[in-house]
Amino acid sequence: DAGITQSPRYKITETGRQVTLMCHQTWSHSYMFWYRQDLGHGLRLIYYSAAADITDKGEVPDGYVVSRSKTENFPLTLESATRSQTSVYFCASSRTNKNTEAFFGQGTRLTVV
Amino acid sequence: EDQVTQSPEALRLQEGESSSLNCSYTVSGLRGLFWYRQDPGKGPEFLFTLYSAGEEKEKERLKATLTKKESFLHITAPKPEDSATYLCAVQTGANNLFFGTGTRLTVIP
Repeated sequence: DAGITQSPRYKITETGRQVTLMCHQTWSHSYMFWYRQDLGHGLRLIYYSAAADITDKGEVPDGYVVSRSKTENFPLTLESATRSQTSVYFCASSRTNKNTEAFFGQGTRLTVV
Repeated sequence: EDQVTQSPEALRLQEGESSSLNCSYTVSGLRGLFWYRQDPGKGPEFLFTLYSAGEEKEKERLKATLTKKESFLHITAPKPEDSATYLCAVQTGANNLFFGTGTRLTVIP
């Protein structure tokens, strides 16, 4: 199916564990983004990627790692999960860097206990 | 410091009762202002992009306008299916997109 998909939709993990959130898009969009959404903060950019093997930090990158070996995939890894990383994570993609028509995935609700 | 503020936080309207949502911003070098709609449990869905003061865009019952300091999302004769959270975002640098916290709209039949 065409679109942008995130997996898993829900995840519970323990403090200190490594966890990877997956994002896959079928449009061959150049740009991909990871956001987190928390009450009272709105969506905040964690990392973005302009193309395969090109990534850069956003507003709140600490504690996260990304990679982009293929255009269609943009996984987000929490190297050692903390409770403050409990959030809803959204992946997005867009054809250009202007976010003009960014398409968002359904989100991953992550709980760190 | 770049800032985006949306008001009100929540809005309840009767079906057919028109109103407006506000997005005020203080940013350096606005490159674009975006409106998104978000339904519960889903990702944001793109609605509009506005680039310069005076610009307007329409889609069905929605019309977005932009001034130098704020944007309005006007909803004309809303229907229950318009119930959602509406997010405003501004883009300053090449990839810096700042989102507001949204307005949760409920339209009552």
